[in-house]
Amino acid sequence: SAVISQKPSRDICQRGTSLTIQCQVDSQVTMMFWYRQQPGQSLTLIATANQGSEATYESGFVIDKFPISRPNLTFSTLTVSNMSPEDSSIYLCSVLGDDTDTQYFGPGTRLTVL
Amino acid sequence: GENVEQHPSTLSVQEGDSAVIKCTYSDSASNYFPWYKQELGKRPQLIIDIRSNVGEKKDQRIAVTLNKTAKHFSLHITETQPEDSAVYFCATNAGGTSYGKLTFGQGTILTVHP
Repeated sequence: SAVISQKPSRDICQRGTSLTIQCQVDSQVTMMFWYRQQPGQSLTLIATANQGSEATYESGFVIDKFPISRPNLTFSTLTVSNMSPEDSSIYLCSVLGDDTDTQYFGPGTRLTVL
Repeated sequence: GENVEQHPSTLSVQEGDSAVIKCTYSDSASNYFPWYKQELGKRPQLIIDIRSNVGEKKDQRIAVTLNKTAKHFSLHITETQPEDSAVYFCATNAGGTSYGKLTFGQGTILTVHP
């Protein structure tokens, strides 16, 4: 299975600021995704991080708010821009194993916006 | 878009009893149905999945059944143990797209009493 790390593991931020979350995988993978898990809630897909092209966003999520980079097949970043308390969530990256079609999640980044 | 309904939201059982969690989905094109277990403060972990070309899959004490006609699938845990206590999420891939683009159910908090 893929080993996924995220940085930071948690952060407390002031409203109006931005935070960039990093996701690193120990092997090359084609498909990477970003999910959000609001407190006590289920997981919601934010976007697919495409290598070499713009991310594909799900309904309700826009690039200006959640810009994503995918410079290579092992790394991606998600930025939460102009944060408000409603952005307080756990943000998880995930990858789809190229040979297993199984999805693995990173440990998550717990974000609190004051 | 895809809608996944999960029931019950909470489930309390005695150690050794069986637990059943059910999910219904709306998109007939969905063809991948994973179940994730999330312990408190940890990332979701895949415990079992089923693809639409099979009706049932079993892995030791865990089984998943799929009824594509009725658009529902269920997780069965037998001989429950206190370590099974966690939040369980069902999911499916709307539109039969990538196995990484998942729509999740609302989650079931399972408590196994010793």
